[in-house]
Amino acid sequence: GAVVSQHPSRVICKSGTSVKIECRSLDFQATTMFWYRQFPKQSLMLMATSNEGSKATYEQGVEKDKFLINHASLTLSTLTVTSAHPEDSSFYICSASPWRGGLLNTGELFFGEGSRLTVL
Amino acid sequence: EDQVTQSPEALRLQEGESSSLNCSYTVSGLRGLFWYRQDPGKGPEFLFTLYSAGEEKEKERLKATLTKKESFLHITAPKPEDSATYLCAVQERQGAQKLVFGQGTRLTINP
Repeated sequence: GAVVSQHPSRVICKSGTSVKIECRSLDFQATTMFWYRQFPKQSLMLMATSNEGSKATYEQGVEKDKFLINHASLTLSTLTVTSAHPEDSSFYICSASPWRGGLLNTGELFFGEGSRLTVL
Repeated sequence: EDQVTQSPEALRLQEGESSSLNCSYTVSGLRGLFWYRQDPGKGPEFLFTLYSAGEEKEKERLKATLTKKESFLHITAPKPEDSATYLCAVQERQGAQKLVFGQGTRLTINP
């Protein structure tokens, strides 16, 4: 099946620093990737939709300048948490949908393993 | 606004004790309903997609069913390795392809 890889899986940083998380689709092209945030024992909350070659679409309440998303190629999207603070500590998960023959297959979304961010 | 509610929040079963998880949804035109399994500290793992009322899909001990208002994930004779959080999500027919998730059901199977 399709594979989505996230890196790093865990990161600890000091308050005020920036952290970059990568999301790669390893065996398929993804014109669209999604970034989610998950707090302990809670469900996934969509942060933004990342489209290759264009600006990301953010969900209401998500700060664009705080969570910078770049989707430079069909296989890579990055999420940068800028000037991180303890309240940004969370589990960040990306997902991608396979792109085949010009049609975006929405039947399945494949998720990365997640990145746990701890801001001290 | 799309809403997805899962019940129960947590469920403990003995090995071999069959049960069902519920996912109630409200969406303006359903494109698909998805079931995922999530282990602690991991990303969700895709299980099923259901597209229309009456549809059923099976995978090993799991069977998912769909009506116009809810979906059930039936687990038959579960084993301890089936312990996980099961997430339900819906996708609208129109607009963005984003998924709206329920809060999940934490399933624990005791040996």
